[in-house]
Amino acid sequence: DVKVTQSSRYLVKRTGEKVFLECVQDMDHENMFWYRQDPGLGLRLIYFSYDVKMKEKGDIPEGYSVSREKKERFSLILESASTNQTSMYLCASSPGTGYQPQHFGDGTRLSIL
Amino acid sequence: GQNIDQPTEMTATEGAIVQINCTYQTSGFNGLFWYQQHAGEAPTFLSYNVLDGLEEKGRFSSFLSRSKGYSYLLLKELQMKDSASYLCAVVTGGYNKLIFGAGTRLAVHP
Repeated sequence: DVKVTQSSRYLVKRTGEKVFLECVQDMDHENMFWYRQDPGLGLRLIYFSYDVKMKEKGDIPEGYSVSREKKERFSLILESASTNQTSMYLCASSPGTGYQPQHFGDGTRLSIL
Repeated sequence: GQNIDQPTEMTATEGAIVQINCTYQTSGFNGLFWYQQHAGEAPTFLSYNVLDGLEEKGRFSSFLSRSKGYSYLLLKELQMKDSASYLCAVVTGGYNKLIFGAGTRLAVHP
Protein backbone atom coordinates (compact mmCIF):
# COMPACT_ATOMS: atom_id res chain seq x y z
CA ASP A 1 0.00 0.00 0.00
CA VAL A 2 1.09 3.57 -0.71
CA LYS A 3 2.74 5.28 2.22
CA VAL A 4 3.72 8.90 2.70
CA THR A 5 5.26 9.56 6.10
CA GLN A 6 5.78 12.96 7.67
CA SER A 7 8.31 13.12 10.46
CA SER A 8 6.16 14.89 13.06
CA ARG A 9 2.42 15.19 13.70
CA TYR A 10 2.80 18.22 15.96
CA LEU A 11 5.65 20.71 16.20
CA VAL A 12 6.11 23.89 18.23
CA LYS A 13 8.88 26.33 17.33
CA ARG A 14 9.80 29.94 18.09
CA THR A 15 9.92 32.89 15.72
CA GLY A 16 13.23 33.21 13.94
CA GLU A 17 14.09 29.52 14.20
CA LYS A 18 15.04 27.48 11.15
CA VAL A 19 12.49 24.66 10.87
CA PHE A 20 12.77 21.44 8.91
CA LEU A 21 9.74 19.32 7.93
CA GLU A 22 10.56 15.93 6.48
CA CYS A 23 8.54 13.73 4.17
CA VAL A 24 9.33 10.22 2.93
CA GLN A 25 7.42 8.14 0.39
CA ASP A 26 7.86 4.47 -0.39
CA MET A 27 6.21 4.25 -3.81
CA ASP A 28 9.18 5.34 -5.98
CA HIS A 29 7.13 8.37 -7.10
CA GLU A 30 8.81 11.04 -9.20
CA ASN A 31 6.61 13.96 -8.06
CA MET A 32 6.46 15.30 -4.52
CA PHE A 33 4.57 18.31 -3.17
CA TRP A 34 4.34 20.48 -0.08
CA TYR A 35 1.07 22.23 0.81
CA ARG A 36 -0.22 24.25 3.71
CA GLN A 37 -3.85 24.00 4.75
CA ASP A 38 -5.62 26.86 6.49
CA PRO A 39 -9.32 27.21 7.39
CA GLY A 40 -11.30 28.81 4.59
CA LEU A 41 -8.33 28.75 2.20
CA GLY A 42 -7.97 25.07 1.46
CA LEU A 43 -4.71 23.49 0.35
CA ARG A 44 -2.20 25.85 -1.17
CA LEU A 45 0.90 24.62 -3.00
CA ILE A 46 4.22 25.85 -1.58
CA TYR A 47 6.77 23.94 -3.66
CA PHE A 48 6.94 20.79 -5.71
CA SER A 49 9.63 18.56 -7.14
CA TYR A 50 9.49 16.36 -10.21
CA ASP A 51 12.86 14.68 -9.84
CA VAL A 52 15.87 14.49 -7.55
CA LYS A 53 17.41 17.95 -7.09
CA MET A 54 14.65 19.52 -9.21
CA LYS A 55 12.18 21.94 -7.65
CA GLU A 56 9.55 24.42 -8.75
CA LYS A 57 7.80 27.20 -6.85
CA GLY A 58 4.14 26.76 -6.14
CA ASP A 59 1.65 29.50 -5.37
CA ILE A 60 3.01 30.64 -2.00
CA PRO A 61 6.80 29.97 -1.86
CA GLU A 62 7.82 33.08 0.07
CA GLY A 63 9.58 32.26 3.33
CA TYR A 64 10.11 28.61 2.39
CA SER A 65 12.70 26.50 0.61
CA VAL A 66 12.90 22.81 -0.21
CA SER A 67 15.44 20.08 -0.68
CA ARG A 68 15.27 16.80 -2.57
CA GLU A 69 18.57 14.96 -2.42
CA LYS A 70 17.02 11.48 -2.71
CA LYS A 71 13.98 10.37 -4.66
CA GLU A 72 12.06 9.21 -1.62
CA ARG A 73 12.63 12.27 0.59
CA PHE A 74 11.38 15.85 0.23
CA SER A 75 12.14 18.41 2.91
CA LEU A 76 10.44 21.73 3.55
CA ILE A 77 12.53 24.42 5.25
CA LEU A 78 11.26 27.52 6.97
CA GLU A 79 14.33 29.73 6.85
CA SER A 80 13.27 32.03 9.69
CA ALA A 81 9.94 30.98 11.13
CA SER A 82 7.24 33.61 11.63
CA THR A 83 3.87 33.42 13.38
CA ASN A 84 2.00 33.61 10.06
CA GLN A 85 3.55 30.25 9.15
CA THR A 86 1.54 28.55 11.86
CA SER A 87 -0.49 26.04 9.87
CA MET A 88 -1.10 22.42 8.90
CA TYR A 89 1.52 21.23 6.43
CA LEU A 90 0.76 18.34 4.10
CA CYS A 91 3.18 16.41 1.92
CA ALA A 92 2.04 14.42 -1.13
CA SER A 93 3.54 12.31 -3.88
CA SER A 94 2.41 11.00 -7.26
CA PRO A 95 3.84 9.06 -10.19
CA GLY A 96 5.57 11.06 -12.88
CA THR A 97 3.45 9.85 -15.79
CA GLY A 98 -0.15 10.75 -16.49
CA TYR A 99 -2.54 12.53 -14.18
CA GLN A 100 -2.69 10.19 -11.26
CA PRO A 101 -3.95 10.86 -7.73
CA GLN A 102 -1.61 12.43 -5.24
CA HIS A 103 -1.12 10.44 -2.04
CA PHE A 104 -0.96 12.49 1.12
CA GLY A 105 0.79 12.15 4.44
CA ASP A 106 -1.08 12.69 7.71
CA GLY A 107 0.20 16.25 8.04
CA THR A 108 2.29 18.23 10.51
CA ARG A 109 0.52 20.80 12.64
CA LEU A 110 3.16 23.49 13.14
CA SER A 111 2.80 26.25 15.72
CA ILE A 112 5.19 29.19 15.69
CA LEU A 113 5.24 31.10 18.98
CA GLY B 1 -6.63 34.25 -12.38
CA GLN B 2 -7.29 30.81 -10.98
CA ASN B 3 -10.50 30.25 -9.06
CA ILE B 4 -12.27 27.17 -7.72
CA ASP B 5 -15.54 27.59 -5.82
CA GLN B 6 -17.34 25.14 -3.58
CA PRO B 7 -19.97 25.65 -0.89
CA THR B 8 -18.40 25.99 2.54
CA GLU B 9 -20.79 23.74 4.46
CA MET B 10 -23.64 21.34 3.77
CA THR B 11 -25.82 19.18 5.97
CA ALA B 12 -27.78 16.06 5.04
CA THR B 13 -29.66 13.19 6.61
CA GLU B 14 -28.45 9.62 6.88
CA GLY B 15 -29.75 7.56 3.94
CA ALA B 16 -30.33 10.61 1.74
CA ILE B 17 -28.54 11.85 -1.40
CA VAL B 18 -26.36 14.96 -1.48
CA GLN B 19 -24.72 16.81 -4.37
CA ILE B 20 -21.60 18.92 -3.80
CA ASN B 21 -20.92 21.40 -6.59
CA CYS B 22 -17.60 22.78 -7.80
CA THR B 23 -17.10 25.52 -10.38
CA TYR B 24 -13.69 26.45 -11.72
CA GLN B 25 -11.93 29.05 -13.81
CA THR B 26 -8.33 28.07 -14.46
CA SER B 27 -5.67 28.87 -17.05
CA GLY B 28 -5.26 25.21 -17.91
CA PHE B 29 -7.28 22.05 -17.45
CA ASN B 30 -6.06 18.46 -17.45
CA GLY B 31 -8.75 16.93 -15.30
CA LEU B 32 -10.52 17.33 -11.97
CA PHE B 33 -10.05 15.34 -8.77
CA TRP B 34 -12.31 14.90 -5.78
CA TYR B 35 -10.77 14.03 -2.41
CA GLN B 36 -12.34 13.19 0.94
CA GLN B 37 -10.73 14.44 4.14
CA HIS B 38 -11.89 13.42 7.62
CA ALA B 39 -11.00 15.80 10.42
CA GLY B 40 -7.35 15.45 11.41
CA GLU B 41 -6.59 13.00 8.62
CA ALA B 42 -4.96 13.02 5.19
CA PRO B 43 -7.04 13.67 2.07
CA THR B 44 -7.87 10.46 0.21
CA PHE B 45 -8.66 10.09 -3.47
CA LEU B 46 -12.28 9.64 -4.54
CA SER B 47 -12.50 10.29 -8.28
CA TYR B 48 -10.90 11.78 -11.38
CA ASN B 49 -12.75 13.21 -14.39
CA VAL B 50 -11.12 14.46 -17.56
CA LEU B 51 -13.93 13.86 -20.07
CA ASP B 52 -17.46 15.22 -19.89
CA GLY B 53 -20.02 13.00 -18.25
CA LEU B 54 -20.71 10.95 -15.18
CA GLU B 55 -18.30 8.50 -13.53
CA GLU B 56 -19.92 6.13 -11.05
CA LYS B 57 -18.06 4.33 -8.30
CA GLY B 58 -20.29 2.59 -5.80
CA ARG B 59 -22.19 5.11 -3.67
CA PHE B 60 -20.15 7.98 -5.10
CA SER B 61 -20.46 9.52 -8.57
CA SER B 62 -18.69 12.49 -10.12
CA PHE B 63 -19.80 14.61 -13.07
CA LEU B 64 -17.87 17.00 -15.28
CA SER B 65 -18.86 19.62 -17.84
CA ARG B 66 -15.73 21.23 -19.27
CA SER B 67 -17.66 23.80 -21.34
CA LYS B 68 -19.38 25.07 -18.17
CA GLY B 69 -16.37 24.76 -15.88
CA TYR B 70 -18.50 22.68 -13.54
CA SER B 71 -18.32 19.45 -11.61
CA TYR B 72 -20.31 17.79 -8.89
CA LEU B 73 -19.82 14.93 -6.49
CA LEU B 74 -22.95 12.89 -5.76
CA LEU B 75 -23.12 10.82 -2.59
CA LYS B 76 -25.96 8.31 -2.29
CA GLU B 77 -27.28 6.36 0.70
CA LEU B 78 -25.45 8.66 3.06
CA GLN B 79 -23.81 7.15 6.12
CA MET B 80 -22.57 8.86 9.27
CA LYS B 81 -18.99 8.07 8.23
CA ASP B 82 -19.46 10.28 5.16
CA SER B 83 -19.24 13.32 7.46
CA ALA B 84 -16.01 14.88 6.18
CA SER B 85 -14.64 17.65 4.01
CA TYR B 86 -14.76 17.15 0.24
CA LEU B 87 -12.05 18.82 -1.80
CA CYS B 88 -12.32 19.70 -5.49
CA ALA B 89 -8.96 20.09 -7.28
CA VAL B 90 -8.09 20.94 -10.89
CA VAL B 91 -4.98 19.71 -12.69
CA THR B 92 -3.71 22.90 -14.29
CA GLY B 93 -0.45 21.90 -15.87
CA GLY B 94 2.37 19.44 -16.06
CA TYR B 95 3.82 17.41 -13.22
CA ASN B 96 0.30 16.74 -11.93
CA LYS B 97 0.14 20.18 -10.32
CA LEU B 98 -3.20 20.78 -8.57
CA ILE B 99 -5.17 23.83 -7.54
CA PHE B 100 -7.62 23.11 -4.72
CA GLY B 101 -10.90 24.65 -3.77
CA ALA B 102 -11.39 25.57 -0.11
CA GLY B 103 -13.38 22.37 0.48
CA THR B 104 -16.97 21.61 1.49
CA ARG B 105 -17.62 20.38 5.02
CA LEU B 106 -20.47 17.86 4.98
CA ALA B 107 -22.30 16.93 8.18
CA VAL B 108 -24.54 13.85 8.06
CA HIS B 109 -27.22 13.69 10.75
CA PRO B 110 -29.24 10.67 11.91
